[in-house]
Amino acid sequence: QKEVEQNSGPLSVPEGAIASLNCTYSDRGSQSFFWYRQYSGKSPELIMFIYSNGDKEDGRFTAQLNKASQYVSLLIRDSQPSDSATYLCAVNNREYGNKLVFGAGTILRVKS
Amino acid sequence: DGGITQSPKYLFRKEGQNVTLSCEQNLNHDAMYWYRQDPGQGLRLIYYSQIVNDFQKGDIAEGYSVSREKKESFPLTVTSAQKNPTAFYLCASTPGTGATEAFFGQGTRLTVV
Repeated sequence: QKEVEQNSGPLSVPEGAIASLNCTYSDRGSQSFFWYRQYSGKSPELIMFIYSNGDKEDGRFTAQLNKASQYVSLLIRDSQPSDSATYLCAVNNREYGNKLVFGAGTILRVKS
Repeated sequence: DGGITQSPKYLFRKEGQNVTLSCEQNLNHDAMYWYRQDPGQGLRLIYYSQIVNDFQKGDIAEGYSVSREKKESFPLTVTSAQKNPTAFYLCASTPGTGATEAFFGQGTRLTVV
């Protein structure tokens, strides 16, 4: 089982819709969860981080964490074409000295 | 300005040649990481270091080597043993290990010619 799993996509949504991105992780002791956005050929940039169960909202973005089910999700409301990118989920892995482990990423395409 | 600097931005390697990718940070971060990214793929961990003079292998360390002689610097050498080195290489750092945001450099695109 991979440590962090994401559906590779592509996930296609129309402009103005809600995009829902999901991530599951294997290490129950994980404490910190991050969502990065990466445009082609560029380095990842942090969008959201979440440490506690529940929802965390920041503008059009909402991160949701459920530690019991070991999943974390990212909702993007009012999706824009500029949101088209690869979204990477990252989790700290306590088993390996708290190293940061990334999922393979989900490609999001927002159609105008 | 604080940040992570990777150089060069583009690098070409001949078959059988060793090349070194530079990563320098002035954020006073303890932990540093090297990731490899292939087209359409996510980030795979090559090596990481939590403290000076100590580093651990990641998931794909074969054919790579690193050193951490200074807190600010974490160079990655791609050796001739790495048979398919063409990829996008990203260096990152965190203040401690894991539980905080990672800051990334701009990446080095390595191509074998």
